[in-house]
Amino acid sequence: QKEVEQDPGPLSVPEGAIVSLNCTYSNSAFQYFMWYRQYSRKGPELLMYTYSSGNKEDGRFTAQVDKSSKYISLFIRDSQPSDSATYLCAMRKNTGFQKLVFGTGTRLLVSP
Amino acid sequence: DAGVTQSPTHLIKTRGQQVTLRCSPKSGHDTVSWYQQALGQGPQFIFQYYEEEERQRGNFPDRFSGHQFPNYSSELNVNALLLGDSALYLCASSFFLRRNSNQPQHFGDGTRLSIL
Repeated sequence: QKEVEQDPGPLSVPEGAIVSLNCTYSNSAFQYFMWYRQYSRKGPELLMYTYSSGNKEDGRFTAQVDKSSKYISLFIRDSQPSDSATYLCAMRKNTGFQKLVFGTGTRLLVSP
Repeated sequence: DAGVTQSPTHLIKTRGQQVTLRCSPKSGHDTVSWYQQALGQGPQFIFQYYEEEERQRGNFPDRFSGHQFPNYSSELNVNALLLGDSALYLCASSFFLRRNSNQPQHFGDGTRLSIL
C-alpha cells in the first residue's frame, strides 16, 4: 500500500465549476501538507502549504487538512481552462531533513 | 528573482552510459533535493544535500550519486543507465529546515532523460 493515495483521474469539469481534489495517507507522522500544480513539460509549482489540521484559503483555492481521518483536500472555485493541469498532493514529517512524499497526481481538465 | 534552474532540459542516452544533471537553487536557498518522476506518477525522492553532504536518501541504488558545491548548486550522477531510468528528474531547493521548518520546497522544470 502506498503512503499517499490520490485518484489519477482525469477529472473533467465545465468552466466555472467547483473542483474538489483529494488525497488520503497512512502515516500519522506527516505534519506538513502541500498542493502542487504541474503543467505539461513543467516542474511542480507550489499552490498551497499548510501545517497540521485546518483550512487555508488563497484566492480561488482552499486547502483542508483532517488529520483524524488522514485526508486532505484542495477546492478550486470558479474553475478556468487555465486550471487544466495535474495536481499533486505532497506531505512530510516535522523532523530534520525530510523528504516529500507525493501522491500520483490528479489530472484536471476544465472545458470552456 | 531567479527560481530553480536545471540543465540540460532534455537528454538522450543509451543503456550502460553515465549521465550528469545539474541544478542551481533558488536565490538564498541552501538545501537541494532530487526527485525522479516517471510518466504518470508522482515524484519519488532520491536524496537531499545540505552543506555539501548527502543528508537523507530515498530507496534508490548506489548508481545514483550526487554532489553539492560551495555555491549550493548540485549535480545528480547516474551510472550504468537502465531503460527504467527514463524519467523526468526534478531538483527542488529550500532553506535548511531546522532554521525555519515552514519553508516549502520549490521545483525546477526538470531534465527529461530518455534511455534507448
